[in-house]
Amino acid sequence: ETGVTQTPRHLVMGMTNKKSLKCEQHLGHNAMYWYKQSAKKPLELMFVYNFKEQTENNSVPSRFSPECPNSSHLFLHLHTLQPEDSALYLCASSQVGRDYNEQFFGPGTRLTVL
Amino acid sequence: GQNIDQPTEMTATEGAIVQINCTYQTSGFNGLFWYQQHAGEAPTFLSYNVLDGLEEKGRFSSFLSRSKGYSYLLLKELQMKDSASYLCAAMDSNYQLIWGAGTKLIIKP
Repeated sequence: ETGVTQTPRHLVMGMTNKKSLKCEQHLGHNAMYWYKQSAKKPLELMFVYNFKEQTENNSVPSRFSPECPNSSHLFLHLHTLQPEDSALYLCASSQVGRDYNEQFFGPGTRLTVL
Repeated sequence: GQNIDQPTEMTATEGAIVQINCTYQTSGFNGLFWYQQHAGEAPTFLSYNVLDGLEEKGRFSSFLSRSKGYSYLLLKELQMKDSASYLCAAMDSNYQLIWGAGTKLIIKP
């Protein structure tokens, strides 16, 4: 247990569906992150929230929409996805300002887009 | 541009020693991380280096040379449970992590 939980763990959706991924951190951190992990590729940073404010959006398509209602919760809203969006979506949190800003990861949501 | 290079896959024998190398190029540098990721699980933190030299933590050690843009992770007395992917990540001047694609380590009996 790393203190970061994600639901659902697995999701299969059609290209016209709308779904949301949820992440919750129980570590009292002030920053949260969404990453995409595809096979044999580096982790791709999608979004960063620092003190609930979005500070990074790495050219992510608008079909991915993040939401951070408070410092403990992070959502990723999905709509009209493409098959190439199938991947493992990882959430992480960290305490910005602490020594080296170590990131703690959740178990991920395995997303399959049909 | 920013780039991290590490081998795609390595194989080692139980009880042996293995060294996983990582080279990095980033805009600014605020440290080098190693994470372990077992199949289907979350990455977990192994080590952090920001100064040159070797950091030892039990069976695992991590080395950094800032002038060479180079790091390695050394695993001793390998166990079957060490079979995993090892991710190298460098922190840039904006304190964002730039990740390598990971090295899949296969341990054979």
